[in-house]
Amino acid sequence: GQQLNQSPQSMFIQEGEDVSMNCTSSSIFNTWLWYKQEPGEGPVLLIALYKAGELTSNGRLTAQFGITRKDSFLNISASIPSDVGIYFCAGQYSGAGSYQLTFGKGTKLSVIP
Amino acid sequence: DAGVIQSPRHEVTEMGQEVTLRCKPISGHDYLFWYRQTMMRGLELLIYFNNNVPIDDSGMPEDRFSAKMPNASFSTLKIQPSEPRDSAVYFCASSFPSGGMVNEQFFGPGTRLTVL
Repeated sequence: GQQLNQSPQSMFIQEGEDVSMNCTSSSIFNTWLWYKQEPGEGPVLLIALYKAGELTSNGRLTAQFGITRKDSFLNISASIPSDVGIYFCAGQYSGAGSYQLTFGKGTKLSVIP
Repeated sequence: DAGVIQSPRHEVTEMGQEVTLRCKPISGHDYLFWYRQTMMRGLELLIYFNNNVPIDDSGMPEDRFSAKMPNASFSTLKIQPSEPRDSAVYFCASSFPSGGMVNEQFFGPGTRLTVL
């Protein structure tokens, strides 16, 4: 089956620093999604990417859909304490009407004030 | 608008007992997904429905797990009998793909299940 490798597994950064994390896949996807999960809550959608090469921003967050359709990255600029959480990438190949998402294992972000 | 609603938020039960988890998707969403999250395996899709019909249940671990969606606003995930290895956080998510494009899934807060 499809596998997603997400890195790094965890990050400790100073408040104000920029953050970068990425996902690579063994197969192509039509859609890449980035979610954030905080303790005791479900994942919340941050950014959705629909086309290879697409670069999309949401506030301090920027994500790109890799040109090969097998990778994506998420950048967070000028991190703040509330950025703490686990960030998940998810890929979807919606062939034949299937909308199943494959999730990465997550990047746990800690921000030191 | 209310998001995806799950109940209970926490469930503690003893091995062998039946467990029923409940989900109310976002109104108007026609896809519903059940996931399980553990430290070891991350987020795993168990089953998903489209218009109340199960489409893919290949992620259901074994026959002890069953899911139903009797109507567009309600779904259950049942484990009978429960085992300690079923302990995990179970999420329900819903979505409304439009134009055959994206499936932006909206997750509920989850049910934390502990089987003793």
